[in-house]
Amino acid sequence: DAKTTQPPSMDCAEGRAANLPCNHSTISGNEYVYWYRQIHSQGPQYIIHGLKNNETNEMASLIITEDRKSSTLILPHATLRDTAVYYCISSGDTDKLIFGTGTRLQVFP
Amino acid sequence: DAGVIQSPRHEVTEMGQEVTLRCKPISGHNSLFWYRQTMMRGLELLIYFNNNVPIDDSGMPEDRFSAKMPNASFSTLKIQPSEPRDSAVYFCASRGQGNSPLHFGNGTRLTVT
Repeated sequence: DAKTTQPPSMDCAEGRAANLPCNHSTISGNEYVYWYRQIHSQGPQYIIHGLKNNETNEMASLIITEDRKSSTLILPHATLRDTAVYYCISSGDTDKLIFGTGTRLQVFP
Repeated sequence: DAGVIQSPRHEVTEMGQEVTLRCKPISGHNSLFWYRQTMMRGLELLIYFNNNVPIDDSGMPEDRFSAKMPNASFSTLKIQPSEPRDSAVYFCASRGQGNSPLHFGNGTRLTVT
């Protein structure tokens, strides 16, 4: 079973920030938080990952709470092409990566 | 880098036939994963390899499913005999050392009639 929980769906207006939450309350000290997204039937696409510090790349920002029990993926200026299912996963370096049901993000004009 | 390459992209076969799905991981990656995705069950992990050795095959649904990784640049997932309920999109993914992320291929859409 997946070790994370996410809301099943969210909406966001184009141009606004999309903030996608994830709970990983049972995360252990050596486990990272990974975010992926899947558009239509394409293979999941890696977005960002982190251990305990906030991370930012060209796609998104990842905010991890101090207790590491939850995180938020931020798409700063959502576009219609960001409509996808977003998956949050926690895993160590030798663990299998188990995907949950994710959050279906709908960006509307 | 060409990314993870899967073949074929689409496969249509009749019940009872053998199906072989192929995957070439990203060069230098030492872990390889096979997933299956359906509307009902989502994205399921079937099996994963580390340094060409199967580590966990607990997700393989039945003995009809088998996977091999004869070398670091090639893996196969075989279904024999295939059944209509095996219809799904099968994804292969690879990752490098440590906590590097998974990289997925574009998948093989399997239809068993």
